Amino acid sequence: DTAVSQTPKYLVTQMGNDKSIKCEQNLGHDTMYWYKQDSKKFLKIMFSYNNKELIINETVPNRFSPKSPDKAHLNLHINSLELGDSAVYFCASSQDTVSGNTIYFGEGSWLTVV
Amino acid sequence: QKEVEQNSGPLSVPEGAIASLNCTYSDRGSQSFFWYRQYSGKSPELIMFIYSNGDKEDGRFTAQLNKASQYVSLLIRDSQPSDSATYLCAVNGHTNAGKSTFGDGTTLTVKP
Repeated sequence: DTAVSQTPKYLVTQMGNDKSIKCEQNLGHDTMYWYKQDSKKFLKIMFSYNNKELIINETVPNRFSPKSPDKAHLNLHINSLELGDSAVYFCASSQDTVSGNTIYFGEGSWLTVV
Repeated sequence: QKEVEQNSGPLSVPEGAIASLNCTYSDRGSQSFFWYRQYSGKSPELIMFIYSNGDKEDGRFTAQLNKASQYVSLLIRDSQPSDSATYLCAVNGHTNAGKSTFGDGTTLTVKP
């Protein structure tokens, strides 16, 4: 069973469209994340939720809206997609927000905006 | 200055050699340090973590931490072609709500 699963794995869409990426973890973790990895492989955190509560919101355009219906799910909705949004989006989870916790990544969602 | 900096690479070593990957960080209050490996087209996976100054060994991997110098490294002994990947250093502070800050990664190629 995949610990952190996200869908879709590949997404090609046109500029201006709205799309969502779903994520679920079955590890019983309290904390979930969205990371963005650009073409230069730089991995940067976007959001973090702990028990459905937003705790980290980095400088991300408000076109990106995360939603956590429960602590096992963290979805990412993106409005009015732009070319620069093309990247790999990784969902991840950790036990909680304690500093030493390992992060477990999903397989990534490859978003291409054309 | 970036919060976490790594040698940009790429780093190429022959099979059987020792690969040395380096990472420096700017937040002196950082407490936890991680090395993730990412194969091309795959997600990062944890290979080592270290919290205390000194060395930590796990098989062919050794993580070294020097908090005074704000430096953490990863040594891979007896490098194998299967070690060819990008290695990401990640650092957690003590007040950042669990946020890991990642370096840009160093791409390692082990040549047979």
